[in-house]
Amino acid sequence: QVQLQQWGAGLLKPSETLSLTCAVYGGSFSNYYWSWIRQPPEKGLEWIGEINHSGSTNYNPSLKSRVTISVDTSKNQFSLKLSSVTAADTAVYYCARGEAGATTSLYYYYYMDVWGKGTTVTVSS
Amino acid sequence: SSELTQDPAVSVALGQTVRITCQGDSLRSYYASWYQQKPGQAPVLVIYGKNNRPSGIPDRFSGSSSGNTASLTITGAQAEDEADYYCNSRDSSGNHLGVFGGGTKLTVL
Repeated sequence: QVQLQQWGAGLLKPSETLSLTCAVYGGSFSNYYWSWIRQPPEKGLEWIGEINHSGSTNYNPSLKSRVTISVDTSKNQFSLKLSSVTAADTAVYYCARGEAGATTSLYYYYYMDVWGKGTTVTVSS
Repeated sequence: SSELTQDPAVSVALGQTVRITCQGDSLRSYYASWYQQKPGQAPVLVIYGKNNRPSGIPDRFSGSSSGNTASLTITGAQAEDEADYYCNSRDSSGNHLGVFGGGTKLTVL
C-alpha cells in the first residue's frame, strides 16, 4: 500500500522560501504525476503543480513565477519550493499521487488517489 | 477563481439521496474526480473516472457526467457523510493543469 510522508518547515517569515519534501513508500515512482496542493485556513483546495518521474512539470499559472517542483527518483522523493512567501501563502500543504490518461470513450481521466497527511505552513513576521 | 463551479452548501435528510454537482468546460472531455474532506483531515478520493470507487469507499457513492456537468450522488446518506466535497479535473486550457471546484459543504440533517 502506497504511503506518502511529507515534511518541511512550518513557520516562515515573509520573503523566505517554503521548502517541503514528500517521500513515496510502498509503490512505483514511475507513471504517475506527483502533485502539491494547498488549502488556506477555512478555504478550498488549490492545485499548485505536479511533476512526473522524468522531471516534466506543470504549474498553476498564478504561482508559476515562484514555484519549483523537483524529483529525486533515487530516493523516491519529490519536493516543493515556493519563494518570496507572504501571509497569503499560509496554508496546509498536501502532497499527492496523481494519475491521468485517456479512456476508450475518448474521455480523459485525472485524479489523485493517495495523499500525504498535510503540513501546516504559517508565514508571519 | 475556479474553472469548476460547485454549490457552496447542500443539505440532505438522513437516509435520503443527495446530488452534488460540478460545472466546467473541461468536464466535456474530462471525467471529474471527487474528494471527501472532513475537518482536520486530508482529502480522500471517493469517485474517479466514469464511475469508479477506490477500495473501501461505500457503494452509496456514485458519479455521473453529462455535458459540462459532473455529479456525485450519495444514495442513503449517513451521518458520517457530512463533510466537504471537492471536484477536480484538468483545466480547459489544454495545458494539463489541475483545477479544483470551490467545494460543497454537505450537511446531513
